[in-house]
Amino acid sequence: GDSVTQMEGPVTLSEEAFLTINCTYTATGYPSLFWYVQYPGEGLQLLLKATKADDKGSNKGFEATYRKETTSFHLEKGSVQVSDSAVYFCALSGGGGYQKVTFGTGTKLQVIP
Amino acid sequence: DVKVTQSSRYLVKRTGEKVFLECVQDMDHENMFWYRQDPGLGLRLIYFSYDVKMKEKGDIPEGYSVSREKKERFSLILESASTNQTSMYLCASSQSGGYLYEQYFGPGTRLTVT
Repeated sequence: GDSVTQMEGPVTLSEEAFLTINCTYTATGYPSLFWYVQYPGEGLQLLLKATKADDKGSNKGFEATYRKETTSFHLEKGSVQVSDSAVYFCALSGGGGYQKVTFGTGTKLQVIP
Repeated sequence: DVKVTQSSRYLVKRTGEKVFLECVQDMDHENMFWYRQDPGLGLRLIYFSYDVKMKEKGDIPEGYSVSREKKERFSLILESASTNQTSMYLCASSQSGGYLYEQYFGPGTRLTVT
């Protein structure tokens, strides 16, 4: 079945540091890939997405590129802020020709001033 | 502003009680989902619905049932709550053709079963 593996956290960075959160996936077919973010006390919200190979999703300074050859969708940001502290989830959908979404286990990011 | 609302943010119930969790979306979405979120396990799909009165089991349906009588409302039912159902429950919705479209989440209900 479909699966998503993302790096374990927590990740602690100083403000303005470079962020990478790794995500790899296993899926049949041609899935869409997503990054969701969950701020403390809230539900998940979409951060960015890519629907086909080589697409780059970007939002709020974050970006991720859909790499079919390495089955990866790593999240990056050049300079993190304290307000980026949250849990980040990598996800895929449509791998099995299906509307179900498969989520990774989440990576907690803490940014310190 | 699109919205998914859940009936309670926090709920405390006793073992054996019947528990109803309600979710309402205002986006006219066809698909609705119930997940539970546990530390180290991420989100696990309990049930989803792609139309009124239609439902499909997710990965962990045991001990749960669902109801969708109206397009905008999707209810999760714990027939006889147990302590291992203590968790955060998240509702989500999406457009049809969902593999292309993101899911919109409610704020979650933190359920404690004592």
